[in-house]
Amino acid sequence: RKEVEQDPGPFNVPEGATVAFNCTYSNSASQSFFWYRQDCRKEPKLLMSVYSSGNEDGRFTAQLNRASQYISLLIRDSKLSDSATYLCVVPPEGDYKLSFGAGTTVTVRA
Amino acid sequence: DGGITQSPKYLFRKEGQNVTLSCEQNLNHDAMYWYRQDPGQGLRLIYYSQIVNDFQKGDIAEGYSVSREKKESFPLTVTSAQKNPTAFYLCASSTTRGGSLNIQYFGAGTRLSVL
Repeated sequence: RKEVEQDPGPFNVPEGATVAFNCTYSNSASQSFFWYRQDCRKEPKLLMSVYSSGNEDGRFTAQLNRASQYISLLIRDSKLSDSATYLCVVPPEGDYKLSFGAGTTVTVRA
Repeated sequence: DGGITQSPKYLFRKEGQNVTLSCEQNLNHDAMYWYRQDPGQGLRLIYYSQIVNDFQKGDIAEGYSVSREKKESFPLTVTSAQKNPTAFYLCASSTTRGGSLNIQYFGAGTRLSVL
């Protein structure tokens, strides 16, 4: 089983819609998680950190389900500028290296 | 401005040639990393370094070499032994406190192609 697995999508949604997708992880000891956003042909940038049950930042909500070992990202009121690939990142406990998922592609259409 | 600078932005390699990608950071981070990203795929770790004069192989180190002579700099050499070097190369840095404090910051990347 891969350390981090994501639904690759693509998720194609209209402006204003809500879109959500999950990331599953294999290391049950992991305590914190990150969502990075990567625009086409650009570097990943941190979108959100998740340290407990979840986190909310404006239109973005991340939720953690430790029992089932997955984290989700929900985007409300989608904007055209939300079109990107979203990378799920898991730091193994006791290690500073990160495990990156392959990413979920979201395309918001007008 | 604090950040990570990668150069060049685009690089072309001839058959049998070694090329070196530059990565410099002024964030005072101890750890630095090199990743490779192929189209439609995630990031794969090539090498990483926790401290000056020390580095470890990642998941796909074959055909690559690195050095860490200064805290700020972590150059990556793509050697002629790397038979499929065409990819997007990303350098990152972080603290080494681990776990939830381990946010990595990325440079803008170098696109390497084979002539």
